Amino acid sequence: NAGVTQTPKFRVLKTGQSMTLLCAQDMNHEYMYWYRQDPGMGLRLIHYSVGEGTTAKGEVPDGYNVSRLKKQNFLLGLESAAPSQTSVYFCASSYGWKYEQYFGPGTRLTVT
Amino acid sequence: AQTVTQSQPEMSVQEAETVTLSCTYDTSESDYYLFWYKQPPSRQMILVIRQEAYKQQNATENRFSVNFQKAAKSFSLKISDSQLGDAAMYFCAYRSPNYGGSQGNLIFGKGTKLSVKP
Repeated sequence: NAGVTQTPKFRVLKTGQSMTLLCAQDMNHEYMYWYRQDPGMGLRLIHYSVGEGTTAKGEVPDGYNVSRLKKQNFLLGLESAAPSQTSVYFCASSYGWKYEQYFGPGTRLTVT
Repeated sequence: AQTVTQSQPEMSVQEAETVTLSCTYDTSESDYYLFWYKQPPSRQMILVIRQEAYKQQNATENRFSVNFQKAAKSFSLKISDSQLGDAAMYFCAYRSPNYGGSQGNLIFGKGTKLSVKP
């Protein structure tokens, strides 16, 4: 039981490049979330999903897209990376809205 | 919109002593959930303790306990018998009970960095 895993752990991009972050969970959770964490700030919600095939915007969705084609996977895409997207990205999942969120180990992304 | 405030950017405690981390929040809702998460240098977010607003009894988990003051909108974390492994960033988080909008969205404070001195 791996819990929540994220790929990759580190990535460096040049401005304008695109990439996809993969989150996978093996707990059969319905809900999945993408957060970003910036220095001196708590985590902020980018997008979330309440089930396979659904996505919704969180607090800071601009510049990101997501997809939930399979229940166990939640992808976060950056179409044209900007330096302002340099951050640590966390994926989380939960069984339902009122249950504990389990977090992945994070991906450190640097955009130069 | 709900907000979570952690007024102590950094705290320090001597090993085996007790420390209390502060958290206040702003909400107009009567039912909600509160959490404390620990983030060690490994970056992994670990749930420490949770509190349902409708429960008057303060939650406890081994050496960790909370002081939940609903009227004052305060949710402090007490760590007893502090250990070196408790050194980490601690985040207070709020979650609305509402199904609509940001379902299950956690709203985090900015965190408190706890150092433990041997």
